[in-house]
Amino acid sequence: DTAVSQTPKYLVTQMGNDKSIKCEQNLGHDTMYWYKQDSKKFLKIMFSYNNKELIINETVPNRFSPKSPDKAHLNLHINSLELGDSAVYFCASSQGMRGGGTEAFFGQGTRLTVV
Amino acid sequence: AQSVAQPEDQVNVAEGNPLTVKCTYSVSGNPYLFWYVQYPNRGLQFLLKYITGDNLVKGSYGFEAEFNKSQTSFHLKKPSALVSDSALYFCAVRDRGSTLGRLYFGRGTQLTVWP
Repeated sequence: DTAVSQTPKYLVTQMGNDKSIKCEQNLGHDTMYWYKQDSKKFLKIMFSYNNKELIINETVPNRFSPKSPDKAHLNLHINSLELGDSAVYFCASSQGMRGGGTEAFFGQGTRLTVV
Repeated sequence: AQSVAQPEDQVNVAEGNPLTVKCTYSVSGNPYLFWYVQYPNRGLQFLLKYITGDNLVKGSYGFEAEFNKSQTSFHLKKPSALVSDSALYFCAVRDRGSTLGRLYFGRGTQLTVWP
């Protein structure tokens, strides 16, 4: 069983389009995250949800909107895609809002390419 | 401010030799420390963590790391490297006093093990 699964794995789309990435975790965790990994492999947190409540919202363009219908799912919707949005987006989950000593589990990533 | 430094972008070692991937951190309080590994086109996999207690922690695949509070370091080590260890390694830190559980990642170190 895949602990944290994202779909799609690859996404190629044109500038200006709107797209969504879905994430589901079956670990029973109550905190989920979206990270962006740029072309230089730098990982930056975008959002964090705890029990469907947004708790971390980094400086991200408001074209990016996360949605958490329940604590096992955290989707990412991106409006008006731009070339600079091309990156790998990772979903992750962990137990507890404060995280503590618990490690985060990552999905396999979604490689978004905007052309 | 919280931060993690991985001073080496690349580490090259011969198979069978010991390897070290360096990490230093800066947090306002006491840290939880983590190492993750990323294989090409894959998500991050958890390797090991320091919570408390023994400064030497052992993790997956024969890796270990030593927490050094005075030097604010958490270097990853393995006594005998394998070609299959070649991957991108990330150090991460979480402030023990954080209410949001945010993980801060280093920029990653590409490990190449030569046969």
